[in-house]
Amino acid sequence: EAQVTQNPRYLITVTGKKLTVTCSQNMNHEYMSWYRQDPGLGLRQIYYSMNVEVTDKGDVPEGYKVSRKEKRNFPLILESPSPNQTSLYFCASRPGQGAGEQYFGPGTRLTVT
Amino acid sequence: SQKIEQNSEALNIQEGKTATLTCNYTNYSPAYLQWYRQDPGRGPVFLLLIRENEKEKRKERLKVTFDTTLKQSLFHITASQPADSATYLCALPPGGYNKLIFGAGTRLAVHP
Repeated sequence: EAQVTQNPRYLITVTGKKLTVTCSQNMNHEYMSWYRQDPGLGLRQIYYSMNVEVTDKGDVPEGYKVSRKEKRNFPLILESPSPNQTSLYFCASRPGQGAGEQYFGPGTRLTVT
Repeated sequence: SQKIEQNSEALNIQEGKTATLTCNYTNYSPAYLQWYRQDPGRGPVFLLLIRENEKEKRKERLKVTFDTTLKQSLFHITASQPADSATYLCALPPGGYNKLIFGAGTRLAVHP
């Protein structure tokens, strides 16, 4: 089944404790992206990647890191999480760099206390 | 900065009626616009894409229009069903194809 998977689905952590949210897609997509979703603000793009070793900032990259060492994986790293990073996170992928539908993962609900 | 506005109030309609959702944007001329459906606790699911040179796009009971002069897209669901109840998001690229910005979404509730 073609899908985007994220792990963990739920995470409660404390301020300053480094964490990684994994994202993997099995559709051989070139483009991958991370979003956060907050009430009233909608989805905001954190980082995106156009291919292996090619990443760029979205609208809200502060406090986040990403890497793209393999085509299928695009982990999101929070080196020192803070309470304002409490949010619902989505990973997405699409076939190429042009216009096209994005396939979203199931989401990771992160709480930083 | 690029801004997308969707009606923040929920839209309540009766089963069988046509639901019309609005997406307005400012400060840019996007090459295309997309609509997604999101159910509670789940990731968005792509529905339709309409390009700047297209006035209208249809898919089964769904219809999207794109007025680049008004900077507005309308999303219609005809013969609505309770199963259509969800939040609907519009999205567009602020420049090029790599970034995508989303509206906050409009929640649709279809009552039997």
